[in-house]
Amino acid sequence: NAGVTQTPKFRVLKTGQSMTLLCAQDMNHEYMYWYRQDPGMGLRLIHYSVGEGTTAKGEVPDGYNVSRLKKQNFLLGLESAAPSQTSVYFCASSWFRGSEQYFGPGTRLTVT
Amino acid sequence: TQLLEQSPQFLSIQEGENLTVYCNSSSVFSSLQWYRQEPGEGPVLLVTVVTGGEVKKLKRLTFQFGDARKDSSLHITAAQPGDTGLYLCAGALGGGADGLTFGKGTHLIIQP
Repeated sequence: NAGVTQTPKFRVLKTGQSMTLLCAQDMNHEYMYWYRQDPGMGLRLIHYSVGEGTTAKGEVPDGYNVSRLKKQNFLLGLESAAPSQTSVYFCASSWFRGSEQYFGPGTRLTVT
Repeated sequence: TQLLEQSPQFLSIQEGENLTVYCNSSSVFSSLQWYRQEPGEGPVLLVTVVTGGEVKKLKRLTFQFGDARKDSSLHITAAQPGDTGLYLCAGALGGGADGLTFGKGTHLIIQP
């Protein structure tokens, strides 16, 4: 039982490049979330999903896209990376809205 | 405007001392959670409080939910170096609002 896993753990991109972050959970959770964590800003919700095939915008969605084609996977895409997207990205999942969230180990992304 | 205000932002104390961390809001939450995050890892749930005035104890950690369900506190007795970490409070708003709202966190360092 791995919980929530994220790949990759580290990535360096140049401005304008694209990439996809993968999140997988094996707890059969309906809800999945993508956050970014920046110094002094706390955790901010980018996008979330309330079930397979659904996605919704969070607090800071601009510049990101997501997809939830399978219940266990939640993908976060950056189409054209910008230095402002340098951050640590966390994926999380939960049984229902407002319940305990289980977090992955994070992806540290640097955009130069 | 930050929905959940945590104080202090940073706290460095000696091993054996007691401390209290606060989480305040003008909003009413249906529940409030406390997470602990260590460097390079995702947050991990410590406790969930649901009822106004509720007090929960986890070994040397005592969590309290305010009577009006707008605030919470975390008290650590006889702090140990292993308590070092980032403590995050997160509130669930009622009425089907999106997920959890996180505070910016309290960075706690316990010096031996």
